[in-house]
Amino acid sequence: ETGVTQTPRHLVMGMTNKKSLKCEQHLGHNAMYWYKQSAKKPLELMFVYSLEERVENNSVPSRFSPECPNSSHLFLHLHTLQPEDSALYLCASSPGFSGANVLTFGAGSRLTVL
Amino acid sequence: KNQVEQSPQSLIILEGKNCTLQCNYTVSPFSNLRWYKQDTGRGPVSLTIMTFSENTKSNGRYTATLDADTKQSSLHITASQLSDSASYICVVRNAGGTSYGKLTFGQGTILTVHP
Repeated sequence: ETGVTQTPRHLVMGMTNKKSLKCEQHLGHNAMYWYKQSAKKPLELMFVYSLEERVENNSVPSRFSPECPNSSHLFLHLHTLQPEDSALYLCASSPGFSGANVLTFGAGSRLTVL
Repeated sequence: KNQVEQSPQSLIILEGKNCTLQCNYTVSPFSNLRWYKQDTGRGPVSLTIMTFSENTKSNGRYTATLDADTKQSSLHITASQLSDSASYICVVRNAGGTSYGKLTFGQGTILTVHP
């Protein structure tokens, strides 16, 4: 384990379902991120949170709704998704935003939208 | 537009052999470049970071090089092992932009090591 835990690891949902992905970090980091990883494509940044405040929303459709109740937890609420949203969703954290800060990733949540 | 291109897309080698992965980038202004290793079913893990003034850095059997003039980096793996089978991702940080920094990810090179 890297110190960043994601649940569930696998999720299958219909287009009309509502589900949530959860991320928890035990590293005392101040920044948390959601990335989308699709096959043969670079990681796409979705959201960035700094000390519970959203600092980036990278033109993500509103069917994805993030929530950061505290600096250790991050959620991604999913509603009315499309099949093209099927992907691996990675949560990451970092101490802050200085150039040398490394991202620590969770193992990801594999989402399949039917 | 900031871009990171990796080659080859995929690579198959025999255990014990060496290999080199390439990363070309157009990110400017440049801050640093990281190589990540992503095992199947896991998130990426940082292998090494290269700053502007560094040409070579080693981490065990992994050696990264950086040529900031030509905007190229390579990751050389020596005496490959089965556990080296993974996706290797090159990530370049932009020195400008927002305070949280802009990261540009490559699409990764999938390495498969056969016994």
